[in-house]
Order: sequence, then C-alpha cells, then structure tokens
Amino acid sequence: AQKVTQAQTEISVVEKEDVTLDCVYETRDTTYYLFWYKQPPSGELVFLIRRNSFDEQNEISGRYSWNFQKSTSSFNFTITASQVVDSAVYFCALSGTGFQKLVFGTGTRLLVSP
Amino acid sequence: AAGVIQSPRHLIKEKRETATLKCYPIPRHDTVYWYQQGPGQDPQFLISFYEKMQSDKGSIPDRFSAQQFSDYHSELNMSSLELGDSALYFCASSFRGGTDNEQFFGPGTRLTVL
Repeated sequence: AQKVTQAQTEISVVEKEDVTLDCVYETRDTTYYLFWYKQPPSGELVFLIRRNSFDEQNEISGRYSWNFQKSTSSFNFTITASQVVDSAVYFCALSGTGFQKLVFGTGTRLLVSP
Repeated sequence: AAGVIQSPRHLIKEKRETATLKCYPIPRHDTVYWYQQGPGQDPQFLISFYEKMQSDKGSIPDRFSAQQFSDYHSELNMSSLELGDSALYFCASSFRGGTDNEQFFGPGTRLTVL
C-alpha cells in the first residue's frame, strides 16, 4: 500500500525566514510520482510540482526548491525567504503509474507572519 | 486555458436529502477522479472513470454513486446525506494520451449538510 507522511502538522515562521516541509513516502512500486500541492484558505488545490521516481535531480523554481532522496524515501520542499502569501496548507502526494489515484499526506499548515 | 469546472461551487442540504455534484473536465480529457476532503483532513480518493467506465474505487460510501457521460462530464450523486458528508469535493481530470498521471484539479464543491 502507498502511504505519505507529513510529520509537521503546523509550522510558524516570520517573514523572510526559510522553511522546509518534510515528506516521507512508502510504496512498493518501482516507478511512481510525487507531488506537492498548496491549499490556500480559499480552498483550491494549487499544483506546485510533479516528480518522476527516476528523476532524482533537485529542482528550483523561484523561491521554491525540492529535494528528492530516494534512499530515504523523502521529497522535501523548501521555501526561501518566506512571504505572508505563502501561508497555506501544503500537501505532499504519491501515485503509481498509469493514471492512478493520488494518495495525500495529512498536510502541513504553514503560517508566515509579518 | 480551459480548466476543470465544478458545479455548484457551494451547496447546502439537510440531513437525508440528496445532492448531485457535477464535473466538467478539460476538453479532450478522458479520465475523471473524485476526491473528498473533510474539514481539517487531506483529500481522499473516492472513484475514477476512464472512457465512461469506472477505473478505480476508493472508500466511497454505498450511498454515493457516480458516472461519466458520453461528453466526459461526470456526476457524483449522494443520497441520504449525513452530517459527516460535509466536505470539499474535488474533481480532477487527465488525458491518457498525455503526460502520465498529470491530474488537473477543479476548484471544488463545498457541501454543507445541516
């Protein structure tokens, strides 16, 4: 069975601090996909990144960066110089290949204060 | 670009009533997924359809049924509503001829059962 663990329930930081959200996953599949979504207070799910299990390169997109380590089954997300607008719930998710369902972690609520 | 459309966006029902949620996938998309997100919870997979056939089933109550129509839109029918059905219901769509497991989420329907 697939499982995603986000051990951090809530994180509070002050603007301009860097923050890392942890994600650990379990799967028996050799090929799988990992995702991060942002859910602001308005409720929609905003897609941030999709990563194939064969692609272990870290990725940077503006203030966002992702560290994928297959050896530790982790896919951590770092926000550099956080801003108030980053306040949201962030979900890590996992799926197998072939257009399977997404399995979400329980989410991490990030609160960035001015 | 066209996105996934869900209607209604908000719905208020009484206990034991029936509700129908609609999802219109992105044009050309042939796969639809339904997820339920309870208050403070992560999204949970309910059911999916590919080419009008059920492709996968999650923890969907027997009181719920869903189908995908010839124009690829999907409807989630919920009967004998209970207070615990109050949740945000997301629909997502994919195109199986495209990038593997790239799911596009709609804005969600917020169902409140009183």
